[in-house]
Amino acid sequence: QVQLVQSGAEVRRPGASVKVSCKVSGNTLTVLSIHWVRQAPGKGLEWMGGFDPEDAETIYAQRFQDRVTMTEDTSTDTAYMELSSLISEDTAVYYCAAAIGSSRFDYWGQGTLVSVSS
Amino acid sequence: EIVLTQSPGTLSLSPGERATLSCRASQSVGSNYLAWYQQKPGQAPRLLIYYASSRATGIPDRFSGSGSGTDFTLTITRLEPEDSAVYYCQQYGNSPYTFGQGTKLEIK
Repeated sequence: QVQLVQSGAEVRRPGASVKVSCKVSGNTLTVLSIHWVRQAPGKGLEWMGGFDPEDAETIYAQRFQDRVTMTEDTSTDTAYMELSSLISEDTAVYYCAAAIGSSRFDYWGQGTLVSVSS
Repeated sequence: EIVLTQSPGTLSLSPGERATLSCRASQSVGSNYLAWYQQKPGQAPRLLIYYASSRATGIPDRFSGSGSGTDFTLTITRLEPEDSAVYYCQQYGNSPYTFGQGTKLEIK
C-alpha cells in the first residue's frame, strides 16, 4: 500500500524559503510521479507542478515557475518542494500527491502547513 | 490553461436523496482525463473517480461519474451523512493540471 508522509509544519518570515519533504513507501519514485498541490485557508486546491514522465521533466504552473523547485532523491524515495521569496499569501497547506505515470492523483500526503508571517 | 467551473457552489440535501454535481471545462478535456476528489475538513483529498467514469479502489457504487469533452457530472445516490464534504474536479490531460473551485455538499 502506497503511503506518502510529509514533513512537519513550518513558520517562515516573508522573503525566506521553505523546503517540504514527502517520503514514499509501498512503491518507488521510479514508478510514481509526484505532484504538489496547495490549499490556502478556506480556499480550493491549486496545482503547483509535478513530474511529467512522458517528457521526463518536471513541469511547473506558470505562477510559481520563478520561485519553486521540485526535486527527488530516488535513493531514499523522497520528494522535495522548495518555495522561495515567500509572501503572506503563500500561507497554505501543501500536499504532495502521487500518480502512476501520467495519470490522476491516486495517493496523497497528509499535508504540511506553511505559515508566512512577520 | 483549461478552466474548470463547478456548480452549484453549495448543495444542501437530505439523507437518502441524490446529488448531482457539475464540472464544465473551458475546452475539451483530452482522453477524458477528468478526476473527482472528495475532501473532508482537516483531511487530504481522496480520489473518487478517474477517466471521467471509473471508480477508484474502495469507492462505493453510490458514486458515479459521467460526461465527456467539456461537460462532466458526479452523481451520488442514497446520500449518507458521511458524504458531507467538498468535491473537486480536476483535469490531468493538459498542463497545468487545473482544479475546479469545488462544490460543498451539505447533508442536513
